[in-house]
Amino acid sequence: NAGVTQTPKFQVLKTGQSMTLQCAQDMNHNSMYWYRQDPGMGLRLIYYSASEGTTDKGEVPNGYNVSRLNKREFSLRLESAAPSQTSVYFCASSHPIGATQYNSPLHFGNGTRLTVT
Amino acid sequence: KQEVTQIPAALSVPEGENLVLNCSFTDSAIYNLQWFRQDPGKGLTSLLLIQSSQREQTSGRLNASLDKSSGRSTLYIAASQPGDSATYLCAVRLITQGGSEKLVFGKGTKLTVNP
Repeated sequence: NAGVTQTPKFQVLKTGQSMTLQCAQDMNHNSMYWYRQDPGMGLRLIYYSASEGTTDKGEVPNGYNVSRLNKREFSLRLESAAPSQTSVYFCASSHPIGATQYNSPLHFGNGTRLTVT
Repeated sequence: KQEVTQIPAALSVPEGENLVLNCSFTDSAIYNLQWFRQDPGKGLTSLLLIQSSQREQTSGRLNASLDKSSGRSTLYIAASQPGDSATYLCAVRLITQGGSEKLVFGKGTKLTVNP
């Protein structure tokens, strides 16, 4: 079972460069999420997608864009990377609240460790 | 705004000890609460999920309780082992005012079990 797959695992960018973090899940989940994890700050939601074609901003969306390409894939794009975006990025998926499996747990990928210099 | 607090931030115990990790949240309007384990450099692994209507869930040596009215959850680990060393996070799942859903995480308790 692959679960939630994130690529790449590591990335180093220079300030101003752009990149896209990829996420795919094979559990037929409708809901997908992007979080960032920083020391002392915990996990913070960047964007959320309830289904294909829909996205909502989370706590810290500035500097990011997302795309829910289909039910399986949810990508996160940094258009012009800044040192403040140095972090570990996690993608997660689940069945949504209100669905038959509305209490299903969130499943996380192994993360992308991004450094912006 | 929902806030989740975990105390203590770090805990060190000898092998074999029973221990309790604490999680508190400020708004009782949650759908469920989930406990995760995170090993260094890794992602989050779901341990237990408690529905808002439930009081506890058990899996092996782990038991999680939920008191929604008081905004508290505990994770009980029986007969701790060195392999239990990790950071444990709790998170509450809720619907935002805008209608989307999210998990709000605590900052975790780093557990070290000494052989």
